[in-house]
Amino acid sequence: AQSVTQLGSHVSVSEGALVLLRCNYSSSVPPYLFWYVQYPNQGLQLLLKYTSAATLVKGINGFEAEFKKSETSFHLTKPSAHMSDAAEYFCAVTVSGGYNKLIFGAGTRLAVHP
Amino acid sequence: DAGVIQSPRHEVTEMGQEVTLRCKPISGHDYLFWYRQTMMRGLELLIYFNNNVPIDDSGMPEDRFSAKMPNASFSTLKIQPSEPRDSAVYFCASSRGLGATSTDTQYFGPGTRLTVL
Repeated sequence: AQSVTQLGSHVSVSEGALVLLRCNYSSSVPPYLFWYVQYPNQGLQLLLKYTSAATLVKGINGFEAEFKKSETSFHLTKPSAHMSDAAEYFCAVTVSGGYNKLIFGAGTRLAVHP
Repeated sequence: DAGVIQSPRHEVTEMGQEVTLRCKPISGHDYLFWYRQTMMRGLELLIYFNNNVPIDDSGMPEDRFSAKMPNASFSTLKIQPSEPRDSAVYFCASSRGLGATSTDTQYFGPGTRLTVL
């Protein structure tokens, strides 16, 4: 069965600093991987997704993630944090067999301070 | 498109009452998902539908929970009777879905925050 582990439930960075949110997956078949963002009192919004094409995926708001099969990782990065990036971020993986069923990680809450 | 629409946005009820949450998916989307989000358990998939038919309800916590999709533009999640431990944010999501290897995006609604006293 697929699973996702997000390392660090809370991450705090200074405005302008690098953002790195970690995600490791477990899957017996090639996975499809996603990052979603959730702003306070809102639903989840897709940031980016990996679908077995390019291993470096660029998303919205300057975020990107790199699929590393050897490390079973799909970490999310942004070179320079902005105050508006403060939110909760979820990594997700599809379940083998398809039907678009997503398994979510526990989430990482990102705080950005001046 | 207006996106996925959920109602109500907030619901406060007393233990033992029936609660009905509503969802209107994006037009043309064949898949509809119900999720529950809590601090303790994170995001959990409760049930999903394909073309109005429930495909997997293994995430439904118990018989008090039921979900229906009478047509392509409407779904309900009902809890009867409600209990305090049902307090959570319930999200509805929809996607086009392209088949067994679909990587289509799920679009989420804003959620319903349920509080059971």
